[in-house]
Amino acid sequence: AQSVTQLDSQVPVFEEAPVELRCNYSSSVSVYLFWYVQYPNQGLQLLLKYLSGSTLVESINGFEAEFNKSQTSFHLRKPSVHISDTAEYFCAVSATGGGADGLTFGKGTHLIIQP
Amino acid sequence: DGGITQSPKYLFRKEGQNVTLSCEQNLNHDAMYWYRQDPGQGLRLIYYSQIVNDFQKGDIAEGYSVSREKKESFPLTVTSAQKNPTAFYLCASSQQGRRETQYFGPGTRLLVL
Repeated sequence: AQSVTQLDSQVPVFEEAPVELRCNYSSSVSVYLFWYVQYPNQGLQLLLKYLSGSTLVESINGFEAEFNKSQTSFHLRKPSVHISDTAEYFCAVSATGGGADGLTFGKGTHLIIQP
Repeated sequence: DGGITQSPKYLFRKEGQNVTLSCEQNLNHDAMYWYRQDPGQGLRLIYYSQIVNDFQKGDIAEGYSVSREKKESFPLTVTSAQKNPTAFYLCASSQQGRRETQYFGPGTRLLVL
């Protein structure tokens, strides 16, 4: 079984400042890692994912995350945030291998951008 | 447009009543999922289905039931046995395989009268 810990329930930052949302996971097997974003009263959208290869993955809107196997982390970063980045961010994991069972999610981090 | 639709957007349940949440996808995905979201709790898996006529319990299946008679449809019934049903319910679908992205519907908010 896997578990995900998002260390901060809320992260307030000023517009144009950098931000890091922390995610740690626990698993006895290899994992795939995902970051999803949820805007108010909407479903989740995939932001980025790590499956294999380069440990640094990027999204189209300036976010990036780095897989650190030794620290079992997958922190999300953005060098300069915008008001439109205000949302709930969820880190998720799934075991590698066959099957299509569900993801295990963290409890989420609310990113609050202050003007 | 391809995507996932959930209905209704809001649903009210009376004590002792069963209610059914609809989830439809036209993405031709094999796998479908139901999650429950509570404030500060993240998402928890209720049921999932990898193929038509087959489904598996997730982490919190008690008090819920599902069916998968068609590839595009995966309705969730919240039964009277679910004592705390108030939550935001999200349906998702994906191609087969754990590496595949899950696509989420807009959600249904269930409230108890």
